[in-house]
Amino acid sequence: AQKITQTQPGMFVQEKEAVTLDCTYDTSDPSYGLFWYKQPSSGEMIFLIYQGSYDQQNATEGRYSLNFQKARKSANLVISASQLGDSAMYFCAMREGNGNRDDKIIFGKGTRLHILP
Amino acid sequence: GAVVSQHPSWVICKSGTSVKIECRSLDFQATTMFWYRQFPKQSLMLMATSNEGSKATYEQGVEKDKFLINHASLTLSTLTVTSAHPEDSSFYICSALPVRQQFFGPGTRLTVL
Repeated sequence: AQKITQTQPGMFVQEKEAVTLDCTYDTSDPSYGLFWYKQPSSGEMIFLIYQGSYDQQNATEGRYSLNFQKARKSANLVISASQLGDSAMYFCAMREGNGNRDDKIIFGKGTRLHILP
Repeated sequence: GAVVSQHPSWVICKSGTSVKIECRSLDFQATTMFWYRQFPKQSLMLMATSNEGSKATYEQGVEKDKFLINHASLTLSTLTVTSAHPEDSSFYICSALPVRQQFFGPGTRLTVL
């Protein structure tokens, strides 16, 4: 069974609009971390935001915020005021465990976001 | 911030040859590094966990003898694709995890002719 599910293979959004990228996860481990990465056409993986399972507040990083709904096991990424440069592939990922350095991270299949001028 | 580098960034080789890819953590020590493979238009698939001073842990379905991993120091892990074939052509990315983030190298694009 998939541990990370991203149901939107592709999205088209008008520039300056907000966009929500969906991510649901499956784990029985009470301690876990959720990540969002951006991958432009160059291939590099750019870290955007992190949410720990015990974090009290939803994570925010500039225009990025993570809508963490623990009971629903969802961790949607919200990008406010989208820009043309936001066009890229976006991956949701999860690490199970206490954040030890050997805890591996599993990725979802990704959502390709297209920002329209 | 922490940086992970990879070398080479791209390589073209003939079928049957071996290719070594280096992954370095530049400003932190990484007892553990991870190797991923990404085929076009697909997600990152974890190949193996590289442990400094011990054997790598491979994911199910990844051939240990084909993808040799050596983590010789706290800042260097190498992935050697032995007897490469065209189906090994892919984007290989390494990463290291300083707890709340995972830093990725820029990737190595391997093309096997």
